[in-house]
Amino acid sequence: EDQVTQSPEALRLQEGESSSLNCSYTVSGLRGLFWYRQDPGKGPEFLFTLYSAGEEKEKERLKATLTKKESFLHITAPKPEDSATYLCAVQAVGNEKLTFGTGTRLTIIP
Amino acid sequence: SAVISQKPSRDICQRGTSLTIQCQVDSQVTMMFWYRQQPGQSLTLIATANQGSEATYESGFVIDKFPISRPNLTFSTLTVSNMSPEDSSIYLCSVDGLGNEQFFGPGTRLTVL
Repeated sequence: EDQVTQSPEALRLQEGESSSLNCSYTVSGLRGLFWYRQDPGKGPEFLFTLYSAGEEKEKERLKATLTKKESFLHITAPKPEDSATYLCAVQAVGNEKLTFGTGTRLTIIP
Repeated sequence: SAVISQKPSRDICQRGTSLTIQCQVDSQVTMMFWYRQQPGQSLTLIATANQGSEATYESGFVIDKFPISRPNLTFSTLTVSNMSPEDSSIYLCSVDGLGNEQFFGPGTRLTVL
């Protein structure tokens, strides 16, 4: 069974303090690993797809990286508007289903 | 990315009743998905709905409890039947993108008393 574990559960940072969120996964064969951002009361917003180990994607202050066992979401010099829950999900080969982790609730303090 | 809307955005229902949630997409899509997000838990796939065929349900979810319709390529409904307080959750629909990603609607927050 595919599994996704995210850590930490919650993270509080000062504005400008860089850090990383972790997503560890087990999957029968990785078709894709996805990062989403979810604001309170809203649906998940798609950020990145990673397909193979060594791949990196960047968007503004966010950079996602992938190894064979985990993915990291690096946030550089975060701003208060980056506060949200960040979700990681995996998709197995031959399957459309996304298996999600429970997320990391990120709070950036001005 | 597709623009997805859901109705209602939230509802409070009595035990034993049923609620139908609508999901509308602004473009034609092949696959639509229904997820549940219980408080403090991750999103869990309920079923996959393709137009013109029966929905495919994940383990632990049955058609009698969560009947789904998919009448065309832009619309789907999920019904939560004979509700109990354990059905209190956020229900989300999603659609497949050009890659393997999925795009999500804003969700329906359901409270069952």
